[in-house]
Amino acid sequence: GEDVEQSLFLSVREGDSSVINCTYTDSSSTYLYWYKQEPGAGLQLLTYIFSNMDMKQDQRLTVLLNKKDKHLSLRIADTQTGDSAIYFCAERLEDSGGYQKVTFGTGTKLQVIP
Amino acid sequence: GAGVSQSPSNKVTEKGKDVELRCDPISGHTALYWYRQSLGQGLEFLIYFQGNSAPDKSGLPSDRFSAERTGGSVSTLTIQRTQQEDSAVYLCASSLSRVAGGYGYTFGSGTRLTVV
Repeated sequence: GEDVEQSLFLSVREGDSSVINCTYTDSSSTYLYWYKQEPGAGLQLLTYIFSNMDMKQDQRLTVLLNKKDKHLSLRIADTQTGDSAIYFCAERLEDSGGYQKVTFGTGTKLQVIP
Repeated sequence: GAGVSQSPSNKVTEKGKDVELRCDPISGHTALYWYRQSLGQGLEFLIYFQGNSAPDKSGLPSDRFSAERTGGSVSTLTIQRTQQEDSAVYLCASSLSRVAGGYGYTFGSGTRLTVV
């Protein structure tokens, strides 16, 4: 089944690292994504990881995937006030027609305190 | 177009009226998705189009909701006899349908619907 869960809120001080966690239930997911939503805007793809990888690093972002536990995390190093947003975890599956379908989590609101 | 365009960006309507929300996807994207985001909630999947057909309508909350897509491009989401619980941000996304790699969805900025 498809179910992606995240904690709703995270508060960190500027300059600290932020870690946003996500759990998913479908082991057949191919890609896992992190999207960022700034106030009043749509979702923007931040980064992704292929399901056969354990880690991906992209500048200040580190994605860790524990496939055994179906756990995904996003670490933001040196968090800035501009990182304040809602972060959505998502998993990509293929439906019976072979088309991709992406299921989103509830989103984690990151608040960065100056 | 360069991005996914949604209109209107904001809509205030009276309870019981019908509303139409429009989505113009990225040119060449054959897959189109509608989601609803309520305050404090995640993204609720509504409907998915592949070309002009809708293989998955499972997320439409009631028969007051319908959507169509014409010419494999613009999509319209219609809500009839709006209720206050329909108040939300309606997000549209598009993508290439069969892709390799980590390509995800491209989202529009959404339509904020308020039913008073």
